[in-house]
Amino acid sequence: DADVTQTPRNRITKTGKRIMLECSQTKGHDRMYWYRQDPGLGLRLIYYSFDVKDINKGEISDGYSVSRQAQAKFSLSLESAIPNQTALYFCATSDLPTGEGTGELFFGEGSRLTVL
Amino acid sequence: AQKITQTQPGMFVQEKEAVTLDCTYDTSDPSYGLFWYKQPSSGEMIFLIYQGSYDQQNATEGRYSLNFQKARKSANLVISASQLGDSAMYFCAMREGEDSSYKLIFGSGTRLLVRP
Repeated sequence: DADVTQTPRNRITKTGKRIMLECSQTKGHDRMYWYRQDPGLGLRLIYYSFDVKDINKGEISDGYSVSRQAQAKFSLSLESAIPNQTALYFCATSDLPTGEGTGELFFGEGSRLTVL
Repeated sequence: AQKITQTQPGMFVQEKEAVTLDCTYDTSDPSYGLFWYKQPSSGEMIFLIYQGSYDQQNATEGRYSLNFQKARKSANLVISASQLGDSAMYFCAMREGEDSSYKLIFGSGTRLLVRP
C-alpha cells in the first residue's frame, strides 16, 4: 500500500459543485501539503499544514479550503468548482530536514480533477 | 520573481548519452536545499537527488548527479548513460526558510525524451 494515499484518483464534475479531495498518510509525518500541477507551470502550493492545529495558505489558495482532521489526514475542498481548477492535484508529506534527513516531499499518486 | 527557473521546456537525448537539465534558483537564505524529482507519464512524483546549501561535494545517486554551482545559483541535474525509461518530466525544487517554516517551491519542469 502507498504511504500517501489520495482519493479520488480521477473526478469529473460540473461548474459550481463542491468537491473534496482526501489525503491520508502512514509515514507519521506532521507536515502535509496540497499542490496543484498545470502544464508549463510546475507544481504550485495551495495549502500546507505543519501540525493538526496549523494551517497555512500557499501561493494559490483562493477558491480552496482545507481541513486537517488528524495527523494522518489532510483534505482539500473546492467549495464551488470552476473550469480553471481543472488540474492534477498532489498531496505530499515531509519530515523536518534534521540529521540525515533532507526534508524531501513524499507524494501521493495524484488526483486528476476535471471541471466542466 | 521566479525562485526556481528551468529554461528548457523540452529536451532530446540519444540513448546511452549523458544529458544535463538546467536549474537556477534565487534565494537570500544561507540555508536551503535543492531537489530534483522525476514525473513519468504515469504521473507519480519520484524523488531523485538532494543537495544541501552547505554540502561541500556535489550529490550523486547512481546515474544522477547534481552539478551544484553556488556562486552561480545553479543546480543542474546530470543523467549519465540515458535509458529509455528516463523519458519523463523533471522538476527542480528548492526548500528555503528556517526549519519551522520551510516549504518546497518548484520550477516549471523540463520534459526529457530519450531517443533509441
